[in-house]
Amino acid sequence: KAGVTQTPRYLIKTRGQQVTLSCSPISGHRSVSWYQQTPGQGLQFLFEYFSETQRNKGNFPGRFSGRQFSNSRSEMNVSTLELGDSALYLCASSFDNNYGYTFGSGTRLTVV
Amino acid sequence: DQQVKQNSPSLSVQEGRISILNCDYTNSMFDYFLWYKKYPAEGPTFLISISSIKDKNEDGRFTVFLNKSAKHLSLHIVPSQPGDSAVYFCAASAKTSYDKVIFGPGTSLSVIP
Repeated sequence: KAGVTQTPRYLIKTRGQQVTLSCSPISGHRSVSWYQQTPGQGLQFLFEYFSETQRNKGNFPGRFSGRQFSNSRSEMNVSTLELGDSALYLCASSFDNNYGYTFGSGTRLTVV
Repeated sequence: DQQVKQNSPSLSVQEGRISILNCDYTNSMFDYFLWYKKYPAEGPTFLISISSIKDKNEDGRFTVFLNKSAKHLSLHIVPSQPGDSAVYFCAASAKTSYDKVIFGPGTSLSVIP
């Protein structure tokens, strides 16, 4: 079966712009979580969506938002980009709880 | 505040020897712990997990030990192989947080042939 697909793989944006990242979970998975990975910080939890509802949220500013569609695909949006938003953004899906995470390969965002 | 800590950013081990990766946590509500492995340019992949009702879980060359009183867990890889060279993330979750999974900063393991 197809894995978790994240698009695009790479993205370069300018400060102040906004960006939308996409994640298609494994078929049948209803939970989608987003993480930001930066050197030395590991994986920082952004938010989790389950059946189109945000079930959990990390400690990121309101510039970071997300949503989930009826087909479980999810998008995350970052507005007013800052240099510090440069990171690898990872999406993970699971069927019904977070123990069986499958990660995508990530979207590498560079803000210049 | 970092709830899951991996105090060794990197570790080098000779092929065939044991690799021990350590993880400490601060939240006593965590009741499920996981290890993930990550290669460059790929997403993390699940390796092994342990519930707080156990103190050891083994899967082939990988064993995870949990010491709840010390809020400490460790991953043992025996014998270590060059293909094990990757970044290892420790993660934890608590039922009270709707299963939100918190990751540590990772330890980069290099297995030297």
